Amino acid sequence: DAMVIQNPRYQVTQFGKPVTLSCSQTLNHNVMYWYQQKSSQAPKLLFHYYDKDFNNEADTPDNFQSRRPNTSFCFLDIRSPGLGDAAMYLCATSRDGRLGKNIQYFGAGTRLSVL
Amino acid sequence: KQEVTQIPAALSVPEGENLVLNCSFTDSAIYNLQWFRQDPGKGLTSLLLIQSSQREQTSGRLNASLDKSSGRSTLYIAASQPGDSATYLCADLTTDSWGKLQFGAGTQVVVTP
Repeated sequence: DAMVIQNPRYQVTQFGKPVTLSCSQTLNHNVMYWYQQKSSQAPKLLFHYYDKDFNNEADTPDNFQSRRPNTSFCFLDIRSPGLGDAAMYLCATSRDGRLGKNIQYFGAGTRLSVL
Repeated sequence: KQEVTQIPAALSVPEGENLVLNCSFTDSAIYNLQWFRQDPGKGLTSLLLIQSSQREQTSGRLNASLDKSSGRSTLYIAASQPGDSATYLCADLTTDSWGKLQFGAGTQVVVTP
């Protein structure tokens, strides 16, 4: 059974139209991450939550926001998508990011297209 | 800043041949190194995780080695099968990060029948 679930799998939006991607987990993990992966590139961390504490990467554009209303759910909001935001968005969880041993579990991803 | 490199970017082998995938990193101060598999249009599946104190990890036909002094990890896949066709990514967790994995761009593998 899937432990990290991302919805939808495919999302098409229009240039400038806000979009929200969803991630849920059944692992009860403390940490949730959002990565952006463009075609043939390495995944790039956008931000992460440790419980309710939000941690933004320095180079993440302001256009990207996130919400974590509870342990199980985390959302990625793109306020005004541009063509350059078309990518695969990956959600991951880990029990505790401070401990080096913990594996990150990834969802199946949401592929975002911007028209 | 940690940089993770995977060369070659793509690899094609006939079925049955052993696969050798390379990963190099610039900062040896890592907690662990992880190998992932990614099928086209899909998310990441963790294959193996090697702690910094370990030299290798094995799971079935997969074996991953870690040499921190040289900044290298190698993933071996024995007796490759067409179902092994995928992109393989390595990622490490440096001690100055906070759970932030630094990924390589991956090696795309095609195993031909």
